[in-house]
Amino acid sequence: AQSVTQPDIHITVSEGASLELRCNYSYGATPYLFWYVQSPGQGLQLLLKYFSGDTLVQGIKGFEAEFKRSQSSFNLRKPSVHWSDAAEYFCAVVPMEYGNKLVFGAGTILRVKS
Amino acid sequence: DAGVIQSPRHEVTEMGQEVTLRCKPISGHDYLFWYRQTMMRGLELLIYFNNNVPIDDSGMPEDRFSAKMPNASFSTLKIQPSEPRDSAVYFCASSLSAGNEQFFGPGTRLTVL
Repeated sequence: AQSVTQPDIHITVSEGASLELRCNYSYGATPYLFWYVQSPGQGLQLLLKYFSGDTLVQGIKGFEAEFKRSQSSFNLRKPSVHWSDAAEYFCAVVPMEYGNKLVFGAGTILRVKS
Repeated sequence: DAGVIQSPRHEVTEMGQEVTLRCKPISGHDYLFWYRQTMMRGLELLIYFNNNVPIDDSGMPEDRFSAKMPNASFSTLKIQPSEPRDSAVYFCASSLSAGNEQFFGPGTRLTVL
């Protein structure tokens, strides 16, 4: 089935440690790719996006993501996590075959321990 | 720009009552989306509009749900009659063009008793 998969429901990292959140998609053509963050009780904020070109994308708040076509992945990374990064992170795609629909993964809840 | 505006932020109602959620998209954005977020089902697209015209409503759960966009700066999502299983956070989002990033409102937390 065509989908967006975030295999980790929860991740806990220590403050200052590096972070990688995984995202895989299963659509025929390379979709547009996004990462959003949602703090408790808040709406979703865009961290970064990939449409084409350089496969390493820089976003806000020190986040970056790398698109790997061979693995159908778009993993989110941050070299040093801050306590304020604790939130839920959603990978999302706009599949080319489905028009303008944004399809979300299930989300990964990030906990940061001091 | 103030971003996407949604009202009310919280709504508590009783089963069987009509509920109307409101959204003002970012000025100049041609696309408007309504989503529902629940613990069980995550984020689901309910319906989206392009230039005030509904394009895809395949995500609308059932006939109790309806959405309108009478002009470029206003949209409503109505549930009539409401049921406890409709309890969720409803988000409105808008985007400038097809496939582009969507900007989300703060959401409306709906509780149906």
